[in-house]
Amino acid sequence: AQSVTQLGSHVSVSEGALVLLRCNYSSSVPPYLFWYVQYPNQGLQLLLKYTTGATLVKGINGFEAEFKKSETSFHLTKPSAHMSDAAEYFCAVRGNSGNTPLVFGKGTRLSVIA
Amino acid sequence: DAGITQSPRHKVTETGTPVTLRCHQTENHRYMYWYRQDPGHGLRLIHYSYGVKDTDKGEVSDGYSVSRSKTEDFLLTLESATSSQTSVYFCAISEPLSGGYEQYFGPGTRLTVT
Repeated sequence: AQSVTQLGSHVSVSEGALVLLRCNYSSSVPPYLFWYVQYPNQGLQLLLKYTTGATLVKGINGFEAEFKKSETSFHLTKPSAHMSDAAEYFCAVRGNSGNTPLVFGKGTRLSVIA
Repeated sequence: DAGITQSPRHKVTETGTPVTLRCHQTENHRYMYWYRQDPGHGLRLIHYSYGVKDTDKGEVSDGYSVSRSKTEDFLLTLESATSSQTSVYFCAISEPLSGGYEQYFGPGTRLTVT
């Protein structure tokens, strides 16, 4: 069965510092992996996705993530945090077939300190 | 914008009353999903649909039913609302057959059961 573990329910960084949000997955099929962002009182927005090909994927707002099969990881990074990055971030993996929903992690809340 | 609307956006209801939430999409997507979001639990799948009159249960389906009589509408019904069903409910769509698997979310419905 597919599962996602996000390490750290809350991460706090200073403005301008590196953002690193951790995600590890397990999957019985080749993983398709996703990061979503949720701003307060809004729905989830797709940040980026990995399907096949290049293992470093770039998303919106300067975020990127690297798929590492040997580590079963898909960590999200941004070189320099901005106040507007404060939000909750969710990692997800596709279900075990095209007919099944994504499986989400519990989320990591990112705070950015001025 | 995936053309997803949810109604109502906010609702307060009393314990024991039935409640129906509506998800409407304008782009003829085959797959639709209902999730609930609660602090510390992330997103949990309630039910999903892979076509008109084709639905399946998710991990937290007890106390909920769904219907999909036409492609554009997916209804979630709380048969007899309880305080434990106070939550934020999100609808999502996807098109797995296009190879993407990613899901796109509506703005959410905040439900309070008193």
